[in-house]
Amino acid sequence: DAKTTQPPSMDCAEGRAANLPCNHSTISGNEYVYWYRQIHSQGPQYIIHGLKNNETNEMASLIITEDRKSSTLILPHATLRDTAVYYCIVGQNTDKLIFGTGTRLQVFP
Amino acid sequence: DTGVSQDPRHKITKRGQNVTFRCDPISEHNRLYWYRQTLGQGPEFLTYFQNEAQLEKSRLLSDRFSAERPKGSFSTLEIQRTEQGDSAMYLCASSRTGGPEKLFFGSGTQLSVL
Repeated sequence: DAKTTQPPSMDCAEGRAANLPCNHSTISGNEYVYWYRQIHSQGPQYIIHGLKNNETNEMASLIITEDRKSSTLILPHATLRDTAVYYCIVGQNTDKLIFGTGTRLQVFP
Repeated sequence: DTGVSQDPRHKITKRGQNVTFRCDPISEHNRLYWYRQTLGQGPEFLTYFQNEAQLEKSRLLSDRFSAERPKGSFSTLEIQRTEQGDSAMYLCASSRTGGPEKLFFGSGTQLSVL
């Protein structure tokens, strides 16, 4: 079973920030938080990962709470092409990543 | 990099037939993974390789399923005596190592068993 809990769906207006929450209350000290997304009919695409500190790359920002029990993925300026299923995953490394059902993000004009 | 390549993109077969899928990982990636995804669900881990060695198999991988990576480069996934329940998207991914890094996924092979 997935170790994370995500809302099944969210909407976001184009150009606004999309904030996708994830709960991982049973995360252990050596487990990372990974985010992937999957656009219809394609394989999942890596977005970002982090351990304790907040992380930012060209795609998104990852905010991890101090107790590490939850995190938020932020897409700063959502576009229509960001419409996808977003998966939050916790794990020590890339072996056997356990995907849940994710959050279906719909970006509307 | 040229990305992870999977072939074929689509496969339709009759129940009881054998099918084989191929995955070409990103060159110099040591790790190769197979996942399966059914409609409305996230990908489920099946197995992974470190070079040519198959290090782990999920209990989802019944004895009708076999995967190989003979020279540590491309991999094949064979399903014998296919069943309708095998209908799914079969995804391949690769990474440089097994550490906390990104997986690169292919576009998958969509299998339909009639």
